[in-house]
Amino acid sequence: DIQMTQSPSSLSASVGDRVTITCRASQSISSYLNWYQQKPGKAPKLLIYVASSLQSGVPSRFSGSGSGTDFSLTISSLQPEDFATYYCQQSYSTPRTFGQGTKLEIK
Amino acid sequence: QVTLRESGPALVKPTQTLTLTCTFSGFALSSRGMCVSWIRQPPGKALEWLARIDWDDDKHYSTSLQTRLTVSKDTSKNQVVLTMTNMDPVDTGTYYCAREVTTVALDYWGQGTLVTVSS
Repeated sequence: DIQMTQSPSSLSASVGDRVTITCRASQSISSYLNWYQQKPGKAPKLLIYVASSLQSGVPSRFSGSGSGTDFSLTISSLQPEDFATYYCQQSYSTPRTFGQGTKLEIK
Repeated sequence: QVTLRESGPALVKPTQTLTLTCTFSGFALSSRGMCVSWIRQPPGKALEWLARIDWDDDKHYSTSLQTRLTVSKDTSKNQVVLTMTNMDPVDTGTYYCAREVTTVALDYWGQGTLVTVSS
């Protein structure tokens, strides 16, 4: 199975900050990397697919980059509604695997 | 409009078999490239991918859980069923079904159903 490792596990930031979350795969996954946002008590929501494609309806302050084994999710200017937990997931092969999550909290 | 909804028991006893149903609308699982996956999340923990069934009836399972899982579909009813045998308290969590198109990403999710395993 492909292991996905996110860093950091948690992050404190302020409204307006630029933040970056990273995700590393245990082997090359080309660009088959997706990012999800989850708020408490809610289902995850797809933000970015195939590393850098913005899902329809997702604000442009979210962006993704990377290929191979190293990927990142950047939020250019944090908004109050962005405080949530973020997960990466590889769709290169089955079984699919998720990272352990990054909890983004208000400083 | 794509929607998915999970249904099943809220409480199961240890050693019992869990059966969950995902009822969906807005797409046809018989269409090439369409897939439905199951994902779970223990309370306060990370997402864990469980299984997937594809438009051509191909099935994929979590390596660690594959001996306990079975996924099937009823295309005429727009339903996907997940069974998990020999339930244990560590299997407690919220179970989600989600659509995956052309093996890209999980673009639509159900609201999830909380399953508690307790005697």
